[in-house]
Amino acid sequence: NAGVTQTPKFHILKIGQSMTLQCTQDMNHNYMYWYRQDPGMGLKLIYYSVGAGITDKGEVPNGYNVSRSTTEDFPLRLELAAPSQTSVYFCASKGGGHSGANVLTFGAGSRLTVL
Amino acid sequence: QQPVQSPQAVILREGEDAVINCSSSKALYSVHWYRQKHGEAPVFLMILLKGGEQKGHEKISASFNEKKQQSSLYLTASQLSYSGTYFCGTEVTSGTYKYIFGTGTRLKVLA
Repeated sequence: NAGVTQTPKFHILKIGQSMTLQCTQDMNHNYMYWYRQDPGMGLKLIYYSVGAGITDKGEVPNGYNVSRSTTEDFPLRLELAAPSQTSVYFCASKGGGHSGANVLTFGAGSRLTVL
Repeated sequence: QQPVQSPQAVILREGEDAVINCSSSKALYSVHWYRQKHGEAPVFLMILLKGGEQKGHEKISASFNEKKQQSSLYLTASQLSYSGTYFCGTEVTSGTYKYIFGTGTRLKVLA
């Protein structure tokens, strides 16, 4: 199994441009998450989804949008990129059942630079 | 709302012990611990589901005190491979699936 796959791994974006970070999981997990991690800092939740068609804001949602049309895919869209969005973005997924008993599986990350 | 970890950073010699704490201002229903190596994604270490529960994995163990809204990670006889950043993770409120991480603790083990 591939687990959680993120693309692209690296990208340079110009200020004001838009782009979509892709995330796909093949574990049939209901719950998916997007985090950003600035250099030397912790993981901040951007958006999350509890199933197809259902998304909700995390701690730092401004400047981002998400959609969840299928169980497998959870793309993150950056609109009007700003230098403050330079970061490493991690997608993660989690299975169902007792919420506390399931842990996150992470993708390898997407390193985004906005110049 | 984000759990606070202490210390922020720690440097050890091989063989020394360390304790990393995770404190929340809100009730904790479960706590997960992850380790992140430089340039890599976080990797799950262990899960604690019940108050007062203590789990272990080789020389790494953890405890969870629901009453104090705290969890602690214990690393004994540290090895070079233990170097990395440690995060506690938890749901903001049980059943919401909004999953957040603590502030992180950078651990460096020297030979």
